[in-house]
Amino acid sequence: GEDVEQSLFLSVREGDSSVINCTYTDSSSTYLYWYKQEPGAGLQLLTYIFSNMDMKQDQRLTVLLNKKDKHLSLRIADTQTGDSAIYFCAESPGDKLIFGTGTRLQVFP
Amino acid sequence: KAGVTQTPRYLIKTRGQQVTLSCSPISGHRSVSWYQQTPGQGLQFLFEYFSETQRNKGNFPGRFSGRQFSNSRSEMNVSTLELGDSALYLCASSFNGPQHDNEQFFGPGTRLTVL
Repeated sequence: GEDVEQSLFLSVREGDSSVINCTYTDSSSTYLYWYKQEPGAGLQLLTYIFSNMDMKQDQRLTVLLNKKDKHLSLRIADTQTGDSAIYFCAESPGDKLIFGTGTRLQVFP
Repeated sequence: KAGVTQTPRYLIKTRGQQVTLSCSPISGHRSVSWYQQTPGQGLQFLFEYFSETQRNKGNFPGRFSGRQFSNSRSEMNVSTLELGDSALYLCASSFNGPQHDNEQFFGPGTRLTVL
């Protein structure tokens, strides 16, 4: 089946690292994605990882993929108040994206 | 390069009516996908069009339909509106489709309220 799960909320202090976790079910997904949604806006692709990789780093973002456990995580280093948003992971079985429930990240000073 | 545009941005309808939403993809993009976002169900895939053909479809009733024109612009239609259709409808465009490593760009969405 297709099901992507995330924790609903995460609260961190400015300057700390944030880790958002995601579990997915479809092992055929070639790519796994992280999207960011700010209030009143559409989704913005943050990063993606190819399924044969276990790590990808892009500036302050680090994606870790554990294919055996079907676990994906997004680490944001030096979290800023501008990082406050909802973060969605997504798997891609076929020509569509299946999104997680979204994790609301709140950054406080 | 202009981004994905969706019109209208906000819409209020009553139960039983029908509605048409429009999406203009980024120039050169041939794939348009539609998603419904609600607080209860999250983001759910509606359908994807590529070169005027529906290539993939989610689990929505037949009241939800769409089409794509030769210029890649897409419309989605919802007939016989129900209260539960109130949602943010997001459109996304990409060159080849969501399964590839080319980025899907999302529009700002159309907020539909059904009274």
